[in-house]
Amino acid sequence: AQTVTQSQPEMSVQEAETVTLSCTYDTSESDYYLFWYKQPPSRQMILVIRQEAYKQQNATENRFSVNFQKAAKSFSLKISDSQLGDAAMYFCAYSPPGAGSYQLTFGKGTKLSVIP
Amino acid sequence: DTEVTQTPKHLVMGMTNKKSLKCEQHMGHRAMYWYKQKAKKPPELMFVYSYEKLSINESVPSRFSPECPNSSLLNLHLHALQPEDSALYLCASSALGLAGAHEQYFGPGTRLTVT
Repeated sequence: AQTVTQSQPEMSVQEAETVTLSCTYDTSESDYYLFWYKQPPSRQMILVIRQEAYKQQNATENRFSVNFQKAAKSFSLKISDSQLGDAAMYFCAYSPPGAGSYQLTFGKGTKLSVIP
Repeated sequence: DTEVTQTPKHLVMGMTNKKSLKCEQHMGHRAMYWYKQKAKKPPELMFVYSYEKLSINESVPSRFSPECPNSSLLNLHLHALQPEDSALYLCASSALGLAGAHEQYFGPGTRLTVT
C-alpha cells in the first residue's frame, strides 16, 4: 500500500522569506502523480502544484516549486517570498495511474505559519 | 474556471433528521467525490462517482446515501446520523482521461454538526 509521510507537523516562516515543506512517499509503481494541496482556515482545499512522475523536470507555479527526487521518493514544496496568505495546512498527496487514480493518499499535513 | 460549489456552508441537524448536502461543478468533469474531514486530519474518501455511476464506496455506513442526478450534480443524503459524524464534508471533481482520473478540485465544504 502506498504511504505518504510529512515529517513536519508545524513550520513557520518570516514574511518574504523562503520555506521548504518535506514529503516522502512509498510506492512500487513507476508512474504516478504527486500533488500539494493548501487548506487555509477558510477550509477549501486548493491545488497548489502537481507533478507527473515520468517528467524529470520539477513543476513550478509562480512562487511555488517542487524538488522531485524519484529515486529517493521525495517531493518537497518550496515557497518563495512567503506571504501572509500562504498560512495554511499543506497536504502532500499521491495518486497512482489507472483504476487507482481516483484514490488520493494524503500525508498528515504540515501547518505553516507566516510571521509578519 | 475551476470552481466546485457546495451548499449549505453550515448544517446543524439532530440525530433523527434527514438532510442533504449538495455539490455542483460546471467544468465538464466526469468524476465526483465525497470526502469527510475531521479537524487537523487529511480528508478521507467516502464515495466516488465516475460517469454518473457509483464506482467506489469506502465502506461508508448506510446512513450516508450518495446520489449523482447528472454529470454536474452530486448529493449526499443524511439520515439518522450520530454525533461522531460531525465533520467537514468536502466535494471534489476531476476530469477523466486514458490514464485515469486527473487532479481533483475541491469545493469549500459543508461544516456538519450533529446534535
